Amino acid sequence: EAQVTQNPRYLITVTGKKLTVTCSQNMNHEYMSWYRQDPGLGLRQIYYSMNVEVTDKGDVPEGYKVSRKEKRNFPLILESPSPNQTSLYFCASSTRTGVRISSTDTQYFGPGTRLTVL
Amino acid sequence: AQSVTQPDIHITVSEGASLELRCNYSYGATPYLFWYVQSPGQGLQLLLKYFSGDTLVQGIKGFEAEFKRSQSSFNLRKPSVHWSDAAEYFCAVVNQAGTALIFGKGTTLSVSS
Repeated sequence: EAQVTQNPRYLITVTGKKLTVTCSQNMNHEYMSWYRQDPGLGLRQIYYSMNVEVTDKGDVPEGYKVSRKEKRNFPLILESPSPNQTSLYFCASSTRTGVRISSTDTQYFGPGTRLTVL
Repeated sequence: AQSVTQPDIHITVSEGASLELRCNYSYGATPYLFWYVQSPGQGLQLLLKYFSGDTLVQGIKGFEAEFKRSQSSFNLRKPSVHWSDAAEYFCAVVNQAGTALIFGKGTTLSVSS
């Protein structure tokens, strides 16, 4: 089954304690991205990756890091989490291969990770 | 800069009644538009998308949307709502560079029996 998996699904942590949220896809997609979803703000892109070792900032990258060492995995790293990073996080992968989104691209979202930073 | 506005934060519809969720965009050229649905505890699922051609787009689960350039709108419709349609719905537009989606703030749909 084609899917995007995220772990953990729920996490409560404290300010300053480094954490990693994993994301894995089994569809051999080149493009992957991370979003955060906050009430009343919709989804905002944090980082994206066009392929292995190719990552770039989205709209809200501050306080986050990513890496793309393998095609299937795209972990999100919070080196020093703060309460304003409490949010619902979604990983997504896409059939997209170009810089620009095309009409044939299909994006798949993971189930989400609810993070609370105390 | 592009933006997407979903004017209704929350809508309640009776089961079996028709539904229209509003979406307005701000964009100079022909926009690429999407509707996604997020069921409780789930990720986002694509309902339909518009890139060009016929302005009435059919999607999954019986949904359709109509692109109206004159009104800068891309409203989502369904003729008869089912209780399982209760979810949050997001409209999105591709940014001017063509590289990312800009999401609206979402509309929560409740279905009453």
